[in-house]
Amino acid sequence: DAGVTQSPTHLIKTRGQQVTLRCSPKSGHDTVSWYQQALGQGPQFIFQYYEEEERQRGNFPDRFSGHQFPNYSSELNVNALLLGDSALYLCASSLRGVSYNEQFFGPGTRLTVL
Amino acid sequence: QKEVEQDPGPLSVPEGAIVSLNCTYSNSAFQYFMWYRQYSRKGPELLMYTYSSGNKEDGRFTAQVDKSSKYISLFIRDSQPSDSATYLCAMSGATGFQKLVFGTGTRLLVSP
Repeated sequence: DAGVTQSPTHLIKTRGQQVTLRCSPKSGHDTVSWYQQALGQGPQFIFQYYEEEERQRGNFPDRFSGHQFPNYSSELNVNALLLGDSALYLCASSLRGVSYNEQFFGPGTRLTVL
Repeated sequence: QKEVEQDPGPLSVPEGAIVSLNCTYSNSAFQYFMWYRQYSRKGPELLMYTYSSGNKEDGRFTAQVDKSSKYISLFIRDSQPSDSATYLCAMSGATGFQKLVFGTGTRLLVSP
């Protein structure tokens, strides 16, 4: 049973560019959340998708957008990249409807903005 | 003020020591309290979760939650070099679509 997978592993972009990160949830999971983890910090919640809709959003600008596909996989898009967007981007999947919806994390995509 | 406060460390202990990791929080709506372990350049891995107040034990790990003080702890007994990692506390509410609110993480180093 594959866990949460993310691609690519590493990415280097320049300021102003756009980036798309991808996530495949753990088998059986229907909810995907995205987090940004800056160096030396804990993960910060970006947004959460369920049934192809954004259900909750953290304190991130509109440059951050996402999508969930019918097969529950998800994309995170970041436009007009800033140096401060350099971070580890984590995808977490969970199953809605259970008493405790444990979030399983993928290995992350490390984005460097130059 | 951050919703969740956690000492970033590093915390250095000898092998076999008892380790105590702690977080404080300000949001009374938090009902689930989690501890994640994160190795370098890896995603967080859930160690334990606790609902509301109380203690929970799993092998060498014990989690404690004191909602009256808004204080949670993780104890590691007989610490091993393989326990060297960053430990993240996380919290969430209990209803609706839940996001995890993390602490900064405490880096733990267990020396042989």
